[in-house]
Amino acid sequence: NAGVTQTPKFRILKIGQSMTLQCTQDMNHNYMYWYRQDPGMGLKLIYYSVGAGITDKGEVPNGYNVSRSTTEDFPLRLELAAPSQTSVYFCASTHTSNEQFFGPGTRLTVL
Amino acid sequence: GENVEQHPSTLSVQEGDSAVIKCTYSDSASNYFPWYKQELGKRPQLIIDIRSNVGEKKDQRIAVTLNKTAKHFSLHITETQPEDSAVYFCAASINSNYQLIWGAGTKLIIKP
Repeated sequence: NAGVTQTPKFRILKIGQSMTLQCTQDMNHNYMYWYRQDPGMGLKLIYYSVGAGITDKGEVPNGYNVSRSTTEDFPLRLELAAPSQTSVYFCASTHTSNEQFFGPGTRLTVL
Repeated sequence: GENVEQHPSTLSVQEGDSAVIKCTYSDSASNYFPWYKQELGKRPQLIIDIRSNVGEKKDQRIAVTLNKTAKHFSLHITETQPEDSAVYFCAASINSNYQLIWGAGTKLIIKP
């Protein structure tokens, strides 16, 4: 099992550009989450999904969109990048044990 | 909604001494309390967790205690070692979509 994988590892965007952060898990987990972690801070929930076709907003959804067409994939879309979106983005998944398994993260810089 | 507060934000201890990190939560319906360790530049990883029907759980040098009446739980690390240096996060869950509400983190520094 690869667990939770994320691509890319690093990305630099210009203000106004768009990009998609990819997240894939091979553990057949129903629940998936996107977090952002600003330098020296904790984790803030952006969006989450309880299964294919179902998504919902978390604490800080503005400026982001998600989709969940399959159990394995949960991409995060940034439409108009802003400097405030400079952060490390983590994808996580869980089944019903509560333990969340995290991907390695994507470090995004918006200039 | 649920709120989790974590203290201290930074903790510096001598190698070999014990470290204690405390968290309080607001929603009495919370029933799952994990602790994650995040090393610099790495992903958070679960180190220990406890459910509301248990008061204490141990795993080698780490332990977690839960006081449901006071709505607080603590992480205890004994005989600290250099590899314990990291940021530790507590969290709480009411099992609603298995969402975790996170504390702000504690940076643990182990002095040689």
